[in-house]
Amino acid sequence: GENVEQHPSTLSVQEGDSAVIKCTYSDSASNYFPWYKQELGKGPQLIIDIRSNVGEKKDQRIAVTLNKTAKHFSLHITETQPEDSAVYFCAAEPSTGGFKTIFGAGTRLFVKA
Amino acid sequence: DAGITQSPRHKVTETGTPVTLRCHQTENHRYMYWYRQDPGHGLRLIHYSYGVKDTDKGEVSDGYSVSRSKTEDFLLTLESATSSQTSVYFCAAQGTIGGNTEAFFGQGTRLTVV
Repeated sequence: GENVEQHPSTLSVQEGDSAVIKCTYSDSASNYFPWYKQELGKGPQLIIDIRSNVGEKKDQRIAVTLNKTAKHFSLHITETQPEDSAVYFCAAEPSTGGFKTIFGAGTRLFVKA
Repeated sequence: DAGITQSPRHKVTETGTPVTLRCHQTENHRYMYWYRQDPGHGLRLIHYSYGVKDTDKGEVSDGYSVSRSKTEDFLLTLESATSSQTSVYFCAAQGTIGGNTEAFFGQGTRLTVV
C-alpha cells in the first residue's frame, strides 16, 4: 500500500524567513496530494493541494511542488508569520479506490517572532 | 469545518470498559473516516465508510469496530478499552468540491484509558 514519509519532524524558523517541508510517497499511481494544517486543539484543515498533472501550485504565501518522477512533493511557506506555527501534514491519495488518504507523520513548525 | 461534530470531546475510561465515540456530519458526504493521532505517527486510519452500512478496515483497526446506520453518523466503538488506545481520535468526512477532494475534520476526541 501507499506509504508517505515527511521531513523534518520539527522545524524552527525566524519570522519572515521561508519554511520548506518535504514528503515522499511510494505508490506511483497516487494522483492527489493535499496539505493540512493543524492548530493546537483543532482538527487538521486543508490549506493547499496539488494533482499529478500539475508541477507547482501557489496560493499567496504558500506553494506546493510535485516531482512525479522522484515521487516527492514539498510545501513552501514564504514570509513566515507567528500564526503559521502549527503542525503540517502532507498526504497522498492512493490508487486503491475511494478517498483513502494516507498521511505523513507531521511537521511541527515554530515561527519565532 | 463543514459541520463535523465529534462527541464527547474528552473522555476518561477504565481498562476493559466499552467506549463509543460519535461523529456527526451535516454535509451529506459519502465517505467518513476515523483516525487516531499519536506523537510520531501522524494520523493513522482506523476504519472508514463509503456509504450507509458499508465500512472497511484501515491500517490500525484491531480492537475497534464501526457502524454507519445513517449518512450523517459514524460511530467508533472500542469493545474493551486498553491503555494502548489512549489517543486523540479524529473523525473526517470527505467529498468533492469543484472537482477536488477535501477531507473535513472534526475537533477531535481525547480518550484516556486508565
